[in-house]
Amino acid sequence: NAGVTQTPKFRILKIGQSMTLQCAQDMNHNYMYWYRQDPGMGLKLIYYSVGAGITDKGEVPNGYNVSRSTTEDFPLRLELAAPSQTSVYFCASSYSRQGSGNTIYFGEGSWLTVV
Amino acid sequence: RKEVEQDPGPFNVPEGATVAFNCTYSNSASQSFFWYRQDCRKEPKLLMSVYSSGNEDGRFTAQLNRASQYISLLIRDSKLSDSATYLCVVNISPGVDSSYKLIFGSGTRLLVRP
Repeated sequence: NAGVTQTPKFRILKIGQSMTLQCAQDMNHNYMYWYRQDPGMGLKLIYYSVGAGITDKGEVPNGYNVSRSTTEDFPLRLELAAPSQTSVYFCASSYSRQGSGNTIYFGEGSWLTVV
Repeated sequence: RKEVEQDPGPFNVPEGATVAFNCTYSNSASQSFFWYRQDCRKEPKLLMSVYSSGNEDGRFTAQLNRASQYISLLIRDSKLSDSATYLCVVNISPGVDSSYKLIFGSGTRLLVRP
């Protein structure tokens, strides 16, 4: 029962470094998402994908990139880490589009600190 | 004004108490509504969808008032295990690009004490 798996769970980055947060789901979901959650705030959508080869920007895409080469994987790339990107990142997936009534399944989160 | 607003709490209640959370949303075109539960340092998990007629799941009752644009969650007979943050989530209807958008509230924290 893996569901949505994201790695790493914790990471400290220096300003200007780059890294990739990995996300994989084994539920054959078409829809995948990346959210960030700042302390005391709701989740903000960074990028989403409706299927392999298709990605779209969410509310806060600046400073991030994604790719979706397979149905299972949806990595999030930070090219030039900035302190403003310190946050908790959640990958998620769903069978159909978000909000349609189908459950969104979240990964356990990745805690990222940029110093 | 935030698209989805919740009282951050915390609500500190004794075991067995009844507690109610409210949530207001600003977009009258919102179509779907949900309550998610998030434990400390964990991912959000769907608690229940909210239907116009109101719906109940055990000790949890959700209500929707479209005219006033608010959603409520009632928890009866609170348990220690109910301690968590409750996120109000609203689905905004398609934009010009037919995209849907889920808007998360910042959550209401509940602490149930023995």
